[in-house]
Amino acid sequence: KAGVTQTPRYLIKTRGQQVTLSCSPISGHRSVSWYQQTPGQGLQFLFEYFSETQRNKGNFPGRFSGRQFSNSRSEMNVSTLELGDSALYLCASSLSTGDAGNTIYFGEGSWLTVV
Amino acid sequence: QKEVEQNSGPLSVPEGAIASLNCTYSDRGSQSFFWYRQYSGKSPELIMSIYSNGDKEDGRFTAQLNKASQYVSLLIRDSQPSDSATYLCAVNKRGSTLGRLYFGRGTQLTVWP
Repeated sequence: KAGVTQTPRYLIKTRGQQVTLSCSPISGHRSVSWYQQTPGQGLQFLFEYFSETQRNKGNFPGRFSGRQFSNSRSEMNVSTLELGDSALYLCASSLSTGDAGNTIYFGEGSWLTVV
Repeated sequence: QKEVEQNSGPLSVPEGAIASLNCTYSDRGSQSFFWYRQYSGKSPELIMSIYSNGDKEDGRFTAQLNKASQYVSLLIRDSQPSDSATYLCAVNKRGSTLGRLYFGRGTQLTVWP
């Protein structure tokens, strides 16, 4: 069974540009979450989608957005990139968005460098 | 107060020893608790999940949960150099969606031969 797949794995962007990252969840998983990981802030939650609806959102500016498609695949977009957006962006999937008994599994991540 | 706090590292143990990693959380109603292992340059990998008070064992790993003390720990028995990584404690708060986990900053473990 394939794991969570993220593309691209590595990318370099210039300040002011925008970027779109893609995530394919584990087959059968309908919930997708996105996290940002930096050395300074650790792992921080961006947002969560289930059945094409955003179910939860972290404390990030509106430059960060996401969406989920009917096949559960998800994309996140960062507009007007800043140097501080350089990070590892992680996608995670789970069977549902309910609690206890379910687990979330991470993809390998997308390494974004903003120059 | 931070949502999830882990004992500050780095932690260094000799091969074959027991490594003890600790984590406290602030929301008393939290229900789901996870330990992830993250090797340098890699993504977090789930090691253990625990939902009820007590111990849960899986091979060389034992997770311990004490909801009254708001404390969760991970013991690694017979530590191996391949266990050298950063260990992340994650908590799912009461009333939140599962995908919204709160992570500690991690404890870096080094197991030396």
